[in-house]
Amino acid sequence: DTGVSQDPRHKITKRGQNVTFRCDPISEHNRLYWYRQTLGQGPEFLTYFQNEAQLEKSRLLSDRFSAERPKGSFSTLEIQRTEQGDSAMYLCASSFTGTSSRGYTFGSGTRLTVV
Amino acid sequence: EDKVVQSPLSLVVHEGDTVTLNCSYEVTNFRSLLWYKQEKKAPTFLFMLTSSGIEKKSGRLSSILDKKELFSILNITATQTGDSAIYLCAGTLNAGGTSYGKLTFGQGTILTVHP
Repeated sequence: DTGVSQDPRHKITKRGQNVTFRCDPISEHNRLYWYRQTLGQGPEFLTYFQNEAQLEKSRLLSDRFSAERPKGSFSTLEIQRTEQGDSAMYLCASSFTGTSSRGYTFGSGTRLTVV
Repeated sequence: EDKVVQSPLSLVVHEGDTVTLNCSYEVTNFRSLLWYKQEKKAPTFLFMLTSSGIEKKSGRLSSILDKKELFSILNITATQTGDSAIYLCAGTLNAGGTSYGKLTFGQGTILTVHP
């Protein structure tokens, strides 16, 4: 598998429930990024990791959001006490830290619907 | 705060037309500008532009960066219905050495090509 995998593809949850998404990056990529995309908007940066270290977290990310990358491979994004405003596509991307002419590779995303 | 603005937000053309999509950016410690095509799922990579004035070309698509005026354009000639998609541009910054940082996306241009 040479791509970025995300699971699940779709998630419907009731308001107030917790959800967790998983991202498996390209194996040789050491950076992993999470983005959120709502309808009609470009992806919005949430957070990113280099290996297992979380290097940056968006100021827009509330305390209900947490991300981990415990062994520097796959990552999880958890949203606690979901709200309807959390409904969006959550995209994961990975990259090298070194020079790359292709930049970043995105997964197909997890579409979250909070009802 | 870093900002990327795309125009137009939407565009409707007929097959065979030529289109130009615009992207202006204000990214601190700017490194590169990337163009992506997004259909129903993950953004797919089109171009990465780092040097000013050098056109990159792939089939009917081409793009160029102007680092003095802080903008880029994406041209599509002889458009086809399969070109219908959201076109995203994103700026990335230097994150030390040869390292790339996070992407800051514009809101996207929705291109619709009618037969």
